[in-house]
Amino acid sequence: GESVGLHLPTLSVQEGDNSIINCAYSNSASDYFIWYKQESGKGPQFIIDIRSNMDKRQGQRVTVLLNKTVKHLSLQIAATQPGDSAVYFCAENGDNFNKFYFGSGTKLNVKP
Amino acid sequence: DADVTQTPRNRITKTGKRIMLECSQTKGHDRMYWYRQDPGLGLQLIYYSFDVKDINKGEISDGYSVSRQAQAKFSLSLESAIPNQTALYFCATSGQAGQPQHFGDGTRLSIL
Repeated sequence: GESVGLHLPTLSVQEGDNSIINCAYSNSASDYFIWYKQESGKGPQFIIDIRSNMDKRQGQRVTVLLNKTVKHLSLQIAATQPGDSAVYFCAENGDNFNKFYFGSGTKLNVKP
Repeated sequence: DADVTQTPRNRITKTGKRIMLECSQTKGHDRMYWYRQDPGLGLQLIYYSFDVKDINKGEISDGYSVSRQAQAKFSLSLESAIPNQTALYFCATSGQAGQPQHFGDGTRLSIL
């Protein structure tokens, strides 16, 4: 099966600082990756995605970096705000374009 | 995502009961998915469907069944509920392969 994991289960940052959440994946055939945010009591919410022909993609206050050499994905959040507190997890499509494999998530705590 | 609606939001029931969880979407997507989420684990795929006539098993389909009544509706049934099926259940949709999935806010199911 696929293996999508996260290095840190919990990350605490000060409001205003930048956050970096990491994800390791095992299937070199994966060519599409997504970051989701899940707030308490809600479903996962799409944040940003990246395809394997890119190594960086930027959104509003978020940047995803992809290192295919070491099979590593990261999510950077600039100027972290209290509303960013949530569980973040990555997903990869493996070698099946019709399904996704999800990591277990990292909980981000933003301290005021 | 209000475009993907799950009912009920919460359900407590007893072992051996038949349970149906419903999902409807207004996104016009052909692809629909059912996932299970347990504490500390990533989303696990139960079943998925690419159109009304298409049903596919996911990684953990045992003990579950689904029905795709229309493009917009995809229901999940537990034929005879058991306590280890206590979990959060999420429905998701996507437009095409290689596009992100959009999730409902989940059903919290407790089986006593």
